[in-house]
Amino acid sequence: NAGVTQTPKFQVLKTGQSMTLQCAQDMNHEYMSWYRQDPGMGLRLIHYSVGAGITDQGEVPNGYNVSRSTTEDFPLRLLSAAPSQTSVYFCASSYYTGTATANNYGYTFGSGTRLTVV
Amino acid sequence: EDQVTQSPEALRLQEGESSSLNCSYTVSGLRGLFWYRQDPGKGPEFLFTLYSAGEEKEKERLKATLTKKESFLHITAPKPEDSATYLCAVQGPRSYSGGSNYKLTFGKGTLLTVNP
Repeated sequence: NAGVTQTPKFQVLKTGQSMTLQCAQDMNHEYMSWYRQDPGMGLRLIHYSVGAGITDQGEVPNGYNVSRSTTEDFPLRLLSAAPSQTSVYFCASSYYTGTATANNYGYTFGSGTRLTVV
Repeated sequence: EDQVTQSPEALRLQEGESSSLNCSYTVSGLRGLFWYRQDPGKGPEFLFTLYSAGEEKEKERLKATLTKKESFLHITAPKPEDSATYLCAVQGPRSYSGGSNYKLTFGKGTLLTVNP
């Protein structure tokens, strides 16, 4: 089991360029999400998906686009990179089991993509 | 809106010196409180989930506890390899909007350094 795989690990972009951060999981998790992590701030949710064909915005979605055509893959697209998007990006996936009163699940995170926009 | 505050921001301990990290939270209807460990240059690694006040969970030198307003991560006789950033996150009430059932709100973390 590879878990959650993110590529690339490092990327430098020029302002205005576009790119796609890849995320793949092999655990058949229904939920996948993208977070960004900036110094002095907690992880902030960008977009998430509860299954193939279903995506929604998180806390900081502007400038990012996602799609979920398969259970395994959840790519994050930067449409026109800006210096404010310099950050470390983490993809996470989760299973969900349990009833309304008893939840039992955990997030598995990828190792991250460090993006610098100059 | 769910809020999570972790303290202290940074903690430096000597090997063997026990201490606790704090996670205070505000959420209407907590469904789960999570602790993660994050090493430099890596993604967060899941440690514990706590579901109700009074619950405790242990793993090696770590013990997590939960009250109605905060959680503590107790570190007993820490070793240098326990050095990391420890993140706390909460999950709010169940909703019918689908994705909100999975959303976690994270604190900023506590950077723990254990000196030999």
